[in-house]
Amino acid sequence: EAGVAQSPRYKIIEKRQSVAFWCNPISGHATLYWYQQILGQGPKLLIQFQNNGVVDDSQLPKDRFSAERLKGVDSTLKIQPAKLEDSAVYLCASSLKQGPLNTGELFFGEGSRLTVL
Amino acid sequence: DAKTTQPPSMDCAEGRAANLPCNHSTISGNEYVYWYRQIHSQGPQYIIHGLKNNETNEMASLIITEDRKSSTLILPHATLRDTAVYYCIVKGSQGNLIFGKGTKLSVKP
Repeated sequence: EAGVAQSPRYKIIEKRQSVAFWCNPISGHATLYWYQQILGQGPKLLIQFQNNGVVDDSQLPKDRFSAERLKGVDSTLKIQPAKLEDSAVYLCASSLKQGPLNTGELFFGEGSRLTVL
Repeated sequence: DAKTTQPPSMDCAEGRAANLPCNHSTISGNEYVYWYRQIHSQGPQYIIHGLKNNETNEMASLIITEDRKSSTLILPHATLRDTAVYYCIVKGSQGNLIFGKGTKLSVKP
């Protein structure tokens, strides 16, 4: 079974530039998550999709971050303009189901490492 | 905020059992406890989850106290490849995983 695919693996940009990350979840997984992981910390949820609808984006800095999941499959996460504090690994995860009673596991991609200079 | 507390780091000798504790004193009756681990430069990997009863799979065992306020993940025979950050997680209200800082386990030869 193919896992969660993410690209690019690494990206270096200067502050105020823009960047986009792409995620292809496991086939058939309805729920997709984007997490931000700053060095030395645990992953922090940015946004959660159920199919192509947003379930939770309360932690997404909407003045500079945006995400979409057109057609309920692939997703992109965009940052514009980037700040120094956006340097982090951006992790995409997917799961078969959604909701607090869903006991299904989350499958994570290897992440996209962003460095903002 | 994460609903769990874990020690920041632990050491374990190779071949010995690694016992990783977790406190989740505010857990509610229908919330599961999940364990994930993250090896350096990789995404988190699911290990095991449980509700009330102890659970075992090919990777680990999960022991949950009767009052469900704490649990212990057991790696029965730790290897160097088990060196990782281990996260104990209780899901958020939307069913999403809220990570804390986890426990950095170092398995030493």
